[in-house]
Amino acid sequence: ETGVTQTPRHLVMGMTNKKSLKCEQHLGHNAMYWYKQSAKKPLELMFVYSLEERVENNSVPSRFSPECPNSSHLFLHLHTLQPEDSALYLCASSQDRRSYYEQYFGPGTRLTVT
Amino acid sequence: QKEVEQNSGPLSVPEGAIASLNCTYSDRGSQSFFWYRQYSGKSPELIMFIYSNGDKEDGRFTAQLNKASQYVSLLIRDSQPSDSATYLCAVSRGGGNKLTFGTGTQLKVEL
Repeated sequence: ETGVTQTPRHLVMGMTNKKSLKCEQHLGHNAMYWYKQSAKKPLELMFVYSLEERVENNSVPSRFSPECPNSSHLFLHLHTLQPEDSALYLCASSQDRRSYYEQYFGPGTRLTVT
Repeated sequence: QKEVEQNSGPLSVPEGAIASLNCTYSDRGSQSFFWYRQYSGKSPELIMFIYSNGDKEDGRFTAQLNKASQYVSLLIRDSQPSDSATYLCAVSRGGGNKLTFGTGTQLKVEL
């Protein structure tokens, strides 16, 4: 596989469930990102990892928990979500944190919280 | 005031016409400016970036920047139906600082 992949592509979960989103990049990049895209709202940066170290956390609720076990993989663990968390969650990667503009996005996970 | 403002559209242009997409930003410290294209149901892809005042051309695309007016635009010449998408404007202070996105402008190129 090439580029940035995300699984699952669609996820429906109840507010009491625990689930995880997975992102994998095959580009040899050192920086990875989680974004949230809601209808009629700007793309929101959630977390930034550089060389597996979290370097940015933009006031994201603790019900979202990221994990970066190595430079190729990024997870977003979800628990006790709210309906307003329903959105498209996009993973992206770039060569390094300073090359953030050359971000390659994955196809996203469409999350619905019921 | 939104940090990055774009007209949501839809902006409809006939095939072959010039499409003009506009973006204003509030942070005077912004140094880097980007245009992403996002097809329906797909993820964003970078199409242009500009750092200096003036115009930057790449094929049918021209990015224009006016820092004094805090304004950046994207012109698409000879618009094609395949250009129909949402165009996201993003700005950054540079130096590893995050991108701040607008809500995007939906462009429809009609036959």
